[in-house]
Amino acid sequence: QKEVEQNSGPLSVPEGAIASLNCTYSDRVSQSFFWYRQYSGKSPELIMSIYSNGDKEDGRFTAQLNKASQYVSLLIRDSQPSDSATYLCAVRSGGSNYKLTFGKGTLLTVNP
Amino acid sequence: DAMVIQNPRYQVTQFGKPVTLSCSQTLNHNVMYWYQQKSSQAPKLLFHYYDKDFNNEADTPDNFQSRRPNTSFCFLDIRSPGLGDAAMYLCATSSVAAFNEKLFFGSGTQLSVL
Repeated sequence: QKEVEQNSGPLSVPEGAIASLNCTYSDRVSQSFFWYRQYSGKSPELIMSIYSNGDKEDGRFTAQLNKASQYVSLLIRDSQPSDSATYLCAVRSGGSNYKLTFGKGTLLTVNP
Repeated sequence: DAMVIQNPRYQVTQFGKPVTLSCSQTLNHNVMYWYQQKSSQAPKLLFHYYDKDFNNEADTPDNFQSRRPNTSFCFLDIRSPGLGDAAMYLCATSSVAAFNEKLFFGSGTQLSVL
């Protein structure tokens, strides 16, 4: 069973702080990794994608991938109350280009 | 400008009464997916279409069926909804089944079963 694990939280940070969200995956041949943000009652919205080891930055967001450790993270700098949401880690395995497997998500609360 | 449209946004049905959820897309994407997401859980893939080719996940209950009459539309049929089928149903599309291809989600249909 290919799994994606996340700390369910909730993770609470003050406004302006760095929020760090973590995800591990079990399928060693996974090729692509995505972070989605989901507000309560809404559908997931893509924040970042990463395919190679290392860091990828986009504005206040940085995704980090370590395939040897089967670990992917998302850093949110200068956190804002509007960042309060559930963050879903999603992994596409090497065995199938179709299937995106999601973690349960980490609930982030940014306190003003 | 909505690209993946799901109707209705909220659906209430009775226990055992068949229900159909719909999804349409203006992106002309090859692949359409149906995910089920229960409260505080991960979205779970039910099935997907690559063009007309239907692919069912091994653990998707027989109670769930899907139809894709053309590129733009895809339907999720729940033949006899149970209380455990209450969930958000998410439709998504992608242009090709490539490892770096992202999914475009619709706004979801929240299904309640009474």
